[in-house]
Amino acid sequence: GENVEQHPSTLSVQEGDSAVIKCTYSDSASNYFPWYKQELGKGPQLIIDIRSNVGEKKDQRIAVTLNKTAKHFSLHITETQPEDSAVYFCAASLAAGNQFYFGTGTSLTVIP
Amino acid sequence: DGGITQSPKYLFRKEGQNVTLSCEQNLNHDAMYWYRQDPGQGLRLIYYSQIVNDFQKGDIAEGYSVSREKKESFPLTVTSAQKNPTAFYLCASTTQGLGETEAFFGQGTRLTVV
Repeated sequence: GENVEQHPSTLSVQEGDSAVIKCTYSDSASNYFPWYKQELGKGPQLIIDIRSNVGEKKDQRIAVTLNKTAKHFSLHITETQPEDSAVYFCAASLAAGNQFYFGTGTSLTVIP
Repeated sequence: DGGITQSPKYLFRKEGQNVTLSCEQNLNHDAMYWYRQDPGQGLRLIYYSQIVNDFQKGDIAEGYSVSREKKESFPLTVTSAQKNPTAFYLCASTTQGLGETEAFFGQGTRLTVV
């Protein structure tokens, strides 16, 4: 089955700096890659996603890049703010599949 | 407001007891999922259901059971056979039982064995 690895497990940045979280996947058939943000004591929420026919996607301060050849994708957060502090999960799935495969999460702390 | 409701938020169980976690959604989603979350391990799939009266085991189904008698409800029972049940449990739903679609999560239930 699919195996998703995520790095780093923890990340601290100064407010205003950028943060980058990287994930790799093993199944070349995976074609949907969402990113979820989980605040303390809450369920994850989708913040951005990318499909395999696209190399990059942006939404304000958040961007995701995908390299299908290398089987890795990354989350980029620019101009970080304290409210960006949370745990971020990457995931991979097949369009014809029936589940998401999640990374182990990155705990991001933005220091004011 | 549409969404997924999990209850209770906190649950304490004595060893040897079965407990049932509730998950209800009013999003009219076909597929529902149960995940277990442990520190440093991400989300692991316990069970999922793509349609009413049908469900499949995920990666860590041992010691758990589910039912899907109604589209909007997908309760999870943690049985006494689950050797290490203390964890944070998340319920999710999607419009279809397929990938390439957003998963909506509940707020979670934290189960502690005392």
